[in-house]
Amino acid sequence: QVQVVQSGAEVKKPGASVKVSCKASGYYDLSWVRQAPGQGLEWMGWISAYNGNTNYAQKLQGRVTMTIDTSTTTAYMELRSLRSDDTAVYYCAKGGLSSGPLDYWGQGTLVTVSS
Amino acid sequence: QSVLTQPPSVSAAPGQKVTISCSGSSSNIGNNYVSWYQQLPGTAPKLLIYENNKRPSGIPDRFSGSKSGTSATLGITGLQTGDEADYYCGTWDSSLSAGGVFGGGTKVTVL
Repeated sequence: QVQVVQSGAEVKKPGASVKVSCKASGYYDLSWVRQAPGQGLEWMGWISAYNGNTNYAQKLQGRVTMTIDTSTTTAYMELRSLRSDDTAVYYCAKGGLSSGPLDYWGQGTLVTVSS
Repeated sequence: QSVLTQPPSVSAAPGQKVTISCSGSSSNIGNNYVSWYQQLPGTAPKLLIYENNKRPSGIPDRFSGSKSGTSATLGITGLQTGDEADYYCGTWDSSLSAGGVFGGGTKVTVL
């Protein structure tokens, strides 16, 4: 059974970094999607479990890094230089949209950026 | 401003049918598969339709999807109170700034 389990909520100050983890039950391409309060879904990027290749949303280029530890099937999403508008629930999901739908989603991780 | 355009809301009485449109362009919907996601209040999104019109195991056939040109449509028949949720279309965009794209979401209200 496919499972995707994320790390817990984080509170960060503006300018800081956050690293969210996503433990998958197997070797899967994983996407990251965020949702600001009361807003829609925003695709952030994806990482290949096969070779670690990544593809990031243009607006986040330079601030986001996605990595994967194949020994533990755990993916990580690090977002730097946090701003208040980065406050959102961050989801990881199995799939890449280019390679297939997002068919299993993690429970979400709330990241709050506040001084 | 989302790359894919959805109506903000639709509504209908229990037992009725609703359709949700998702409009894009040749770089996204026109040349890639569309998937649909249901997000119940306070929960993570759930895959409802993939590859334009296929349903994952466990999704009732009250939910259907179609695609024509650069637009896609989600249909829900026999509307139930438990269908009240936000619905999002998603696909890949193959333009210069290639990446995943979602619609802005449609709130379905059961009257």
